[in-house]
This record gives sequence, C-alpha cells and structure tokens, in this order.
Amino acid sequence: NAGVTQTPKFRVLKTGQSMTLLCAQDMNHEYMYWYRQDPGMGLRLIHYSVGEGTTAKGEVPDGYNVSRLKKQNFLLGLESAAPSQTSVYFCASSYPRDRGLSENTEAFFGQGTRLTVV
Amino acid sequence: SQQGEEDPQALSIQEGENATMNCSYKTSINNLQWYRQNSGRGLVHLILIRSNEREKHSGRLRVTLDTSKKSSSLLITASRAADTASYFCATDAWATGGFKTIFGAGTRLFVKA
Repeated sequence: NAGVTQTPKFRVLKTGQSMTLLCAQDMNHEYMYWYRQDPGMGLRLIHYSVGEGTTAKGEVPDGYNVSRLKKQNFLLGLESAAPSQTSVYFCASSYPRDRGLSENTEAFFGQGTRLTVV
Repeated sequence: SQQGEEDPQALSIQEGENATMNCSYKTSINNLQWYRQNSGRGLVHLILIRSNEREKHSGRLRVTLDTSKKSSSLLITASRAADTASYFCATDAWATGGFKTIFGAGTRLFVKA
C-alpha cells in the first residue's frame, strides 16, 4: 500500500520556468491538499480539493494552479517559477468520516518535494 | 486566519522528562489534531481530539482541548531521544464544500539522551 506518493522528490528550476508536481493516493480519499513548508513558517495551505473535479484556494494560492481530474491525483502547477517559491511542498489526503456531516479525519502525507528556484 | 500557533517554538529536555507543547487557534473547529515530523520527512498523524472532547490519551501522549480558550496542549510523558522531532497542531473547520485543514508553525522538540 503506497499511501500518498509525490513526484518528483527534488527539482531545481530557473526563474520563469514552469513545472507540475504530481500527487497520487491509493486510499480512495475524497480530500487532497497541497502545502508548502518554509523554515519557521510551518505548513501553509496552497490549494485543496474536496472531490474529483473540484478545487479551492487555501492561504497562499497566488502563483499556483491545481487540477483534480481523477480522484486519485492532485496536480500542482507553477506557470512561471519565482525564487519566492523555493520551498518544500507536501501533498496530503484525507476523507470525511461522515459525508457532508461533522468530521474530517487525519491527513496522510507524502514525503515532500524539495523545489529550488534560482 | 484560522492558523494554530504553537508554543514554545523550541523545547529542549532530558530523556525521561515530560514535554508539554501548546497550541492556540482563532476560529471554531470541528476537531484538532497533532502531527509529528521527523527532519526532512512528511508529517505523521499522532492523535485527534473532537471539539466535544476535553482530554484524550494514546500511549505516552495526552492531549487536552479547551474550546472556550481556543487552546490545546500535547503532553509527551517519559520522553525518549527518538521523540526528537517537530510537532504541529492542525485544526479542521468547515469550508466551502468540505473541510479545510490548517497547520500551525510547530514546536521543535529536542530530547537529549
């Protein structure tokens, strides 16, 4: 059982280049999230999705786009990379304990993608 | 912002001592969770406490929740060197179409052998 898998694990981009980070989960989870983690800042939510075909903005969405065409995949795109986007990116997934009702469950995380923009 | 804030930012203790970390948040929540992160790795879920619960235990972990003060604490008893990691609280709140999970900045715990 792979859980949550992120690709690639490392990447170096030049300013202005574009790239897509892929997150795949095999747990049939409804919710998926993209976070970035910077030193001393904890995790900040970029975008999230509550189901296939849906996406929503998190705390720091500018400069990123996402797509959830298949339930198991959540893609994070950088159209024109900037040095400020140098960070470690984490994908996570979870599922609602009772659909439409009271509670989300714990999130399962990928191992992260370390992105450097020079 | 809904974001939780952990306190202290860093904590250094001797093996065998207890470690207490605190988390405060700003908005109403459905539940609060604690996660652990070893250096360079993804986060691992430790424990979840619902908004109608006041205390929960799991092994050497004890979590309390005070919704009136919008705060939670994580106690690790009889700490071990292997407990060295960063600990994050996360809050779940209902957002458009579903839940949104927001993390705090974390507490870095160092347990000296």
